[in-house]
Amino acid sequence: NAGVTQTPKFRILKIGQSMTLQCTQDMNHNYMYWYRQDPGMGLKLIYYSVGAGITDKGEVPNGYNVSRSTTEDFPLRLELAAPSQTSVYFCASSYIRDTGGLGNTEAFFGQGTRLTVV
Amino acid sequence: AQSVSQHNHHVILSEAASLELGCNYSYGGTVNLFWYVQYPGQHLQLLLKYFSGDPLVKGIKGFEAEFIKSKFSFNLRKPSVQWSDTAEYFCAVRPIFSNDYKLSFGAGTTVTVRA
Repeated sequence: NAGVTQTPKFRILKIGQSMTLQCTQDMNHNYMYWYRQDPGMGLKLIYYSVGAGITDKGEVPNGYNVSRSTTEDFPLRLELAAPSQTSVYFCASSYIRDTGGLGNTEAFFGQGTRLTVV
Repeated sequence: AQSVSQHNHHVILSEAASLELGCNYSYGGTVNLFWYVQYPGQHLQLLLKYFSGDPLVKGIKGFEAEFIKSKFSFNLRKPSVQWSDTAEYFCAVRPIFSNDYKLSFGAGTTVTVRA
């Protein structure tokens, strides 16, 4: 029972490089989220997806892109890495019914990716 | 859009002391509420959640929280903390019965329990 799996766990990037953070879940959840966590700031939502083919911006989307071609996968792409993107990134998923609260789940989190841009 | 406010940034306690962490949210509609815990170097784990029904919810490791709708609050409590409760605690809110199912977090409260 893998849950939410993120890769890699650690990465160091040079300014201007690009990379993709991978996230996959095996719980058939419709919602998926990407957050970044900075000390004292809590978790800020970067992008989220309500289902395959549908994505939307969160609070801090600049400098990032996402895609959701399948229910399971929700990769996050950094095109031109900047020092301000040094952070810990968490992917999460949950199941939410459009008809309301019944059957909803909490968000399940991956182990995180610690990214340093130098 | 909803927002979440946690009252304390850092709380220091001795073992066996009682803990209460404040959480308020701003959203006029119906919400799901959560408390997550993050132990050092780990990912977020669910402590407890409120979806509906009894506003006093019990979670893992002896934690409980009370939803007071009139105060838009969801405070976390534990009667007697242990050294192993040292962690960061996050309150989160998610609107329901709406088109916006974003899950928003507070800034977190660091709890340090001294042996």
